[in-house]
Amino acid sequence: GAVVSQHPSRVICKSGTSVKIECRSLDFQATTMFWYRQFPKQSLMLMATSNEGSKATYEQGVEKDKFLINHASLTLSTLTVTSAHPEDSSFYICSARVQGRSTEAFFGQGTRLTVV
Amino acid sequence: GQSLEQPSEVTAVEGAIVQINCTYQTSGFYGLSWYQQHDGGAPTFLSYNGLDGLEETGRFSSFLSRSDSYGYLLLQELQMKDSASYFCAVRDGDDKIIFGKGTRLHILP
Repeated sequence: GAVVSQHPSRVICKSGTSVKIECRSLDFQATTMFWYRQFPKQSLMLMATSNEGSKATYEQGVEKDKFLINHASLTLSTLTVTSAHPEDSSFYICSARVQGRSTEAFFGQGTRLTVV
Repeated sequence: GQSLEQPSEVTAVEGAIVQINCTYQTSGFYGLSWYQQHDGGAPTFLSYNGLDGLEETGRFSSFLSRSDSYGYLLLQELQMKDSASYFCAVRDGDDKIIFGKGTRLHILP
């Protein structure tokens, strides 16, 4: 199956700092990747759609200046949480679909962000 | 708006059968999928229904009725390792995958 690698798996940062999370498709090219956020015991909330070579599309209510998304290549998308606050602490997960197999999404391992 | 409804929790006994229902209301529909997520882990794909009917994959089966905007996941011969959260998800008209709130499955020995 297709493999999506997400790094780091856990990160603790101080309030006011920025954190970058990487999402890589290891054995396929992903023109589109998706970033989700999940609070404990809740569902995955779509934050934005990352498009290779163009600007990300953000869901309503998601601050694009706070959650910077860059999709510089067909295998890499990054999410940067800027000026992090404790309320940004959450589980962030990326996913990608294989072209031609768009019915199935492959997820990264997720990143547990804790802002102290 | 987009919404997917599924029970928040279900409890069943090891070896039994359990059904998790999902109803959806989305703008556009290109299929219903099911994902499993263990605590602390990422979701993993279980099944997909694009057309009406039953899809079977080993112990897991999934059903879809597009006219009723309804589907379910059926888990047979439950094992303790099946204890997890199960999410139904719809690929909508904008090609996004929208998830339900998830059903936490508790399995008793």
